[in-house]
Amino acid sequence: SQQGEEDPQALSIQEGENATMNCSYKTSINNLQWYRQNSGRGLVHLILIRSNEREKHSGRLRVTLDTSKKSSSLLITASRAADTASYFCAIFYNQGGKLIFGQGTELSVKP
Amino acid sequence: ETGVTQSPTHLIKTRGQQVTLRCSSQSGHNTVSWYQQALGQGPQFIFQYYREEENGRGNFPPRFSGLQFPNYSSELNVNALELDDSALYLCASSTKGGLHETQYFGPGTRLLVL
Repeated sequence: SQQGEEDPQALSIQEGENATMNCSYKTSINNLQWYRQNSGRGLVHLILIRSNEREKHSGRLRVTLDTSKKSSSLLITASRAADTASYFCAIFYNQGGKLIFGQGTELSVKP
Repeated sequence: ETGVTQSPTHLIKTRGQQVTLRCSSQSGHNTVSWYQQALGQGPQFIFQYYREEENGRGNFPPRFSGLQFPNYSSELNVNALELDDSALYLCASSTKGGLHETQYFGPGTRLLVL
């Protein structure tokens, strides 16, 4: 399968703690993206990291990419109850312009 | 809000019927992609339209078809509906050849096939 595989499938933490989600994939990539989805609604783009980048930051989000291990991680620092959502990694393929999504990590942040 | 709109928001059909879902892309975007998301799963790529032509297709049968119009809006048509077609259908708009291959998603249409 070309899709990313995410770990863990579900994560429950307390407000203020950090949340780390991991994504592994099997093929070489152009870029890898992370999306958030609240309660089965539309996906919101969080961050894009290119294959020649190792780390990117956006606010409380930090994404790393290790192309040698074919893996990426998303770190959310100082989590808030509003961060409760499903998080997906998606691999972008130039051919056909498609995103291949993993199954997602369901994050629950308890106040 | 991404500026991508979809209609209808919810739809109930019976097996064997046909359905048309609609998507209006974000202003300035020339590409629309469609995804199917079954409950508890990640979205799966159906196809992409660029300049009114299908630009790429996922592993979906021919009864899933689409159109893109000159204003870049798009339709997804599904014929001979099956129970397994029950899902959230998401469209996403983007700009082909843009600096960032970010896709901006609409809120989705939830289809239930009985």
